[in-house]
Amino acid sequence: NAGVTQTPKFQVLKTGQSMTLQCAQDMNHEYMSWYRQDPGMGLRLIHYSVGAGITDQGEVPNGYNVSRSTTEDFPLRLLSAAPSQTSVYFCASSYSQGSQPQHFGDGTRLSIL
Amino acid sequence: GEDVEQSLFLSVREGDSSVINCTYTDSSSTYLYWYKQEPGAGLQLLTYIFSNMDMKQDQRLTVLLNKKDKHLSLRIADTQTGDSAIYFCAESNQAGTALIFGKGTTLSVSS
Repeated sequence: NAGVTQTPKFQVLKTGQSMTLQCAQDMNHEYMSWYRQDPGMGLRLIHYSVGAGITDQGEVPNGYNVSRSTTEDFPLRLLSAAPSQTSVYFCASSYSQGSQPQHFGDGTRLSIL
Repeated sequence: GEDVEQSLFLSVREGDSSVINCTYTDSSSTYLYWYKQEPGAGLQLLTYIFSNMDMKQDQRLTVLLNKKDKHLSLRIADTQTGDSAIYFCAESNQAGTALIFGKGTTLSVSS
């Protein structure tokens, strides 16, 4: 039982490149979400999903896309990377919307040059 | 909108008690949470309190909730060097679809 697995752990991109951050959980959780963590800003919600085929925007969705084709996976896509997207990205999951505990992955540290 | 505020730094000596404070704005929050983040790691749920409770104790952790003042605190008794981390206070948004986090309090424990 691996919990929430995020890949890659580190990534450096050039402005304008696209990439996908992967998130997978093996706990059969319905609810999954993506947060970004910036210095002095805490964590802010980017997108979330309450089940396969259902996604919605969080507080800071611009520049990101998500999809949820399976219960296990919730990838986050950066369409055209910008320096303002330099951050640490965390994926989290829980049994259902609003339930606790939320299980967090170890994060992806992304730098955009 | 919802907002959560907490002090940014706290420094204590090993063996002392630590108290981390938090204020929140959404009085409809059902649960309030404390998360711990160690360097290079994700967030770990430490404890949470239901909004109709005043206090919750869990081993070395004591959570106090003053709903009238919208004030939440986390007390760590007998603080150890292994408690050095960033502690986040969080509340659920009104829809229950997201956690609203404070900016985090960095706890530094010296021996």
